[in-house]
Amino acid sequence: DTAVSQTPKYLVTQMGNDKSIKCEQNLGHDTMYWYKQDSKKFLKIMFSYNNKELIINETVPNRFSPKSPDKAHLNLHINSLELGDSAVYFCASSEGFGGTDTQYFGPGTRLTVL
Amino acid sequence: GQQLNQNPQSMFIQEGEDVSMNCTSSSIFNTWLWYKQDPGEGPVLLIALYKAGELTSNGRLTAQFGITRKDSFLNISASIPSDVGIYFCAGVKDSNYQLIWGAGTKLIIKP
Repeated sequence: DTAVSQTPKYLVTQMGNDKSIKCEQNLGHDTMYWYKQDSKKFLKIMFSYNNKELIINETVPNRFSPKSPDKAHLNLHINSLELGDSAVYFCASSEGFGGTDTQYFGPGTRLTVL
Repeated sequence: GQQLNQNPQSMFIQEGEDVSMNCTSSSIFNTWLWYKQDPGEGPVLLIALYKAGELTSNGRLTAQFGITRKDSFLNISASIPSDVGIYFCAGVKDSNYQLIWGAGTKLIIKP
């Protein structure tokens, strides 16, 4: 059973389009995250939700909007895609929100904007 | 945001060699974590350190929480092909704070 799953695995789209990435965790965790990993492999936190409430909202363009319909799901919608949005997006979850809680990552979604 | 300094950025080594990498900061951390990212996968936690001076092993991996609390070290002994990947350090200043990530050390093993 996959603990943290993301769909799709790969996403290729044109500039200006709107796209969504879905994430689900079956670990019963309270906290979920979205990270962006750029071409230099640096992991940057974008958002964090705890019990469906937004906890962390880093400096991310308004075109990115997370949505957590329930504790087990955290989706990421991106409007008006730009070339610079090309990256690998990782979803993660942890039991609690404390920084010491182990984060479990999904396999990533490779987004390519043409 | 604040970033941890992780060195080296990449390493090219022969199979069987030992590997050392480190993570430093100008700030004090209460927790140090080491994650590994296999190619095409998400990071996975290897070792967590909670106390200054702590030395913890996980198989051939050993990590240390620096005495000054501003650094941490990861050693891999007798490297094997499956050790290839990117190793990230991450630090936490307080249990309520988010993780602060290093930029990663890419480990490549020469055949």
